[in-house]
Amino acid sequence: SYELTQPPSVSVSPGQTASITCSGDRLGHKYACWYQQKPGQSPVLLIYQDTKRPSGIPGRFSGSNSENTATLTISGTQAMDEADYYCQGWDSSTVVFGGGTKLTVL
Amino acid sequence: QLQLQESGPGLVKPSETLSLTCTVSGDSISTYNYYWGWIRQPPGKGLEWIGSLYYSGSTYYNPSLKSRVTISVDTPKNQFSLKVSSVTAADTAVYYCARSMTTVTNDAEYWGQGTLVTVSS
Repeated sequence: SYELTQPPSVSVSPGQTASITCSGDRLGHKYACWYQQKPGQSPVLLIYQDTKRPSGIPGRFSGSNSENTATLTISGTQAMDEADYYCQGWDSSTVVFGGGTKLTVL
Repeated sequence: QLQLQESGPGLVKPSETLSLTCTVSGDSISTYNYYWGWIRQPPGKGLEWIGSLYYSGSTYYNPSLKSRVTISVDTPKNQFSLKVSSVTAADTAVYYCARSMTTVTNDAEYWGQGTLVTVSS
């Protein structure tokens, strides 16, 4: 079965850039998207179709997807960005989530 | 503003069938061909895709759950539903319904608040 791998945790200092990776076989040939989830809340779509941001998502969130790795980049990380982040890949028939990454803003 | 609301029993006995409904408000479920999906999250764990329904009639299921899952739509009620048969404790999770961002992306822009379903005797 298809799997997406994320680092369990990432730490970043306020104001710095955080990068969260998502690896999967030929992921660059599928569409990737990213979600943010805070405790007790439903996930929020941050990035879709690899690089696009839904309305209302701050510009400090950006995405890329190439070869076997999709990356979520958070520029100028803020304390409010501390959350769990999930990647998702999908093709014509299957959707897969990564295991999630806990972002800590130290 | 589109809103989704899950409803159904919060407690299901092992070996029985879990049934949930997602009621859509703010737009018609049949207006466009979006993906309408179900995702679950066991307590303290990550997200798991259960399946998606494309309004044109296609359904897509997680291969690991496919033999036990059915997703269907009730257009007059503006609802879509999930059934999971032969449940075990491993099916205990918060269940979310969701709608895709666009008509060509199987992601999830709109989410319900989620409903906790516990499998226990």
